[in-house]
Amino acid sequence: GAGVSQTPSNKVTEKGKYVELRCDPISGHTALYWYRQSLGQGPEFLIYFQGTGAADDSGLPNDRFFAVRPEGSVSTLKIQRTERGDSAVYLCASSLAGGRTDTQYFGPGTRLTVL
Amino acid sequence: AQSVTQPDIHITVSEGASLELRCNYSYGATPYLFWYVQSPGQGLQLLLKYFSGDTLVQGIKGFEAEFKRSQSSFNLRKPSVHWSDAAEYFCAVGRNAGNMLTFGGGTRLMVKP
Repeated sequence: GAGVSQTPSNKVTEKGKYVELRCDPISGHTALYWYRQSLGQGPEFLIYFQGTGAADDSGLPNDRFFAVRPEGSVSTLKIQRTERGDSAVYLCASSLAGGRTDTQYFGPGTRLTVL
Repeated sequence: AQSVTQPDIHITVSEGASLELRCNYSYGATPYLFWYVQSPGQGLQLLLKYFSGDTLVQGIKGFEAEFKRSQSSFNLRKPSVHWSDAAEYFCAVGRNAGNMLTFGGGTRLMVKP
C-alpha cells in the first residue's frame, strides 16, 4: 500500500516569503505528526494531530508556523515570513491511532531552503 | 523533560564485523524506545521498538537492542554488518500521550569493505 507522501520534495524560497508544505498520511491513520530535521541533527517534534484537531502544538517554534488538517487526512504546514533559520527538512509521519505502541511511518520529507 | 543522547556521531566498522550503537535516555516514567534508520534520500524506517517485557528485542535486518533500566540505555547491536547497513541511525523515546518522539542526534555508520 501507499506510504506517507510529502510534496514538494524540495522547496527553495526567499527570506520573507510564505510557504506551504503538504503531507498525505497513510489511509486510515488518525494520528499525524510534523517534525523538523536540521542539518546534522535528529528530527524535532513540531505538532501532533489527532483527527482534525491539533492535540499538541508545543513544538512549533513561534507564531510564524501553523498547521491544519481540515478533513482529518491531508495536512498542510504553513510558514509565514520565512527566515534563513527555517531551512531544514520537514518530515511528516502518521500512525494508526497515536497510541504509544503504534508505529509512526515517516514520509521522505520536504527540503526547505530559505535564501 | 525527556532527552536522548547518542554519544557517537560517527562510527566506522568493517564489513562482517559486529556493531553496537549507543543510546542513553532520560525519561521520568517507563520509556517507550525506538530505533530508526535513515538512508540517503529515504525516509526514516523503524528498526525495532521496546515497550515492556523481554529487555532484548529483535528487529528487522538482523538488528537487536537491549533495554537496561539501571543504565538508562537502549543500545543497538548487529552481529555482522553488511555494506548496505551504512546509514544514519536514530534512537528515540516516545512521550506518554500521543507518542510524540524525542530523537537523539543520530549516529552515522560507515562500512569499510
